[in-house]
Amino acid sequence: KQEVTQIPAALSVPEGENLVLNCSFTDSAIYNLQWFRQDPGKGLTSLLLIQSSQREQTSGRLNASLDKSSGRSTLYIAASQPGDSATYLCAVRRSGGGADGLTFGKGTHLIIQP
Amino acid sequence: KAGVTQTPRYLIKTRGQQVTLSCSPISGHRSVSWYQQTPGQGLQFLFEYFSETQRNKGNFPGRFSGRQFSNSRSEMNVSTLELGDSALYLCASRLTGSGETQYFGPGTRLLVL
Repeated sequence: KQEVTQIPAALSVPEGENLVLNCSFTDSAIYNLQWFRQDPGKGLTSLLLIQSSQREQTSGRLNASLDKSSGRSTLYIAASQPGDSATYLCAVRRSGGGADGLTFGKGTHLIIQP
Repeated sequence: KAGVTQTPRYLIKTRGQQVTLSCSPISGHRSVSWYQQTPGQGLQFLFEYFSETQRNKGNFPGRFSGRQFSNSRSEMNVSTLELGDSALYLCASRLTGSGETQYFGPGTRLLVL
């Protein structure tokens, strides 16, 4: 059974810092990995999707990497801003045509101090 | 293009009742998935529908069911509600049900008293 772990569970940093969020998964047979953010009481916003054949994806100040063989992904946030405060969730989809549901980690609760 | 919409946004029910939640996917998306989010268990996959057929199901009891209509709108039903069913229920859609990005709605918050 796939298990996804996110470390740290919570993180508080001053504005302007670069930071890294970690995600690990136990079964390397994944179809893709997706990073989301969730604001309090809201749904999920997709940030980046990395297919299993890719090593990284970038969008603005965000960069996500994937090392499938070691079961790890990182989300790098450059020049953090107070608006980046949210819970960040990592989710993997099992291989097999991409038809399975997502398995989520518990998330990293991020606070950016102004 | 409008995003995924869910109705109602908030719901209060009592134990033993049943509830139906509705989800309208992004226009053109044919796959709809449902997830349950609780503080203890986090986000858990309930089921996915594609072209009116259930393709996958998570590890939830039979009290949880769903369906999808020809216009891709989906409903989720929970019968004989239990206190532990209190959660945020999230619906997500994607284009063809393959490995594309999944887009989530704002969720329906269900409180069971």
